[in-house]
Amino acid sequence: DGGITQSPKYLFRKEGQNVTLSCEQNLNHDAMYWYRQDPGQGLRLIYYSQIVNDFQKGDIAEGYSVSREKKESFPLTVTSAQKNPTAFYLCASSIGSGGTNEQFFGPGTRLTVL
Amino acid sequence: GQQLNQSPQSMFIQEGEDVSMNCTSSSIFNTWLWYKQDPGEGPVLLIALYKAGELTSNGRLTAQFGITRKDSFLNISASIPSDVGIYFCAGHPPPPFGNEKLTFGTGTRLTIIP
Repeated sequence: DGGITQSPKYLFRKEGQNVTLSCEQNLNHDAMYWYRQDPGQGLRLIYYSQIVNDFQKGDIAEGYSVSREKKESFPLTVTSAQKNPTAFYLCASSIGSGGTNEQFFGPGTRLTVL
Repeated sequence: GQQLNQSPQSMFIQEGEDVSMNCTSSSIFNTWLWYKQDPGEGPVLLIALYKAGELTSNGRLTAQFGITRKDSFLNISASIPSDVGIYFCAGHPPPPFGNEKLTFGTGTRLTIIP
């Protein structure tokens, strides 16, 4: 089946540790995105990538890093510099430039910092 | 950046009732998308709108792209228990922001009263 997978579903980390969230898609989409969602809030864009080996900061990139070495994968690292990392993280993908603007989301990863 | 005002923030209805929610912006958008999010899951795309004045249905859901391009409406007819969740509007602004800048509303939480 085509879709977007995120792992793990739940993640716990201690303060001061970096942690990497996985996002994989087999939709052959060029563009991928990472969002952060806090309770009762909308989605805020962390990073996005429109093509392999290229990515741009979103609205709240501080304390996060990404890589896009493969079209199918767009991992997000939450670094110790992120002051309030506990949140629900959502990965999305879209066809990319020249296609529709529809973004499709993965099931999310809930990160809790202990 | 662009702001999307979504209303109402929450709705409490009885099964069988019709539902209306809307999203407004201070600036124009080229695309309006409506998503539904169940607790602990990623948003699922319900309807996509691409032209001012466009009216699109998906089963019991109907959405419209406002003529001014600054608003959109979602209606749900004859609500059922599985309609419970949070509904988000999202919009793509015109260039120079391009496809990557999908702005989200803060959501409308729909609850069905027994």
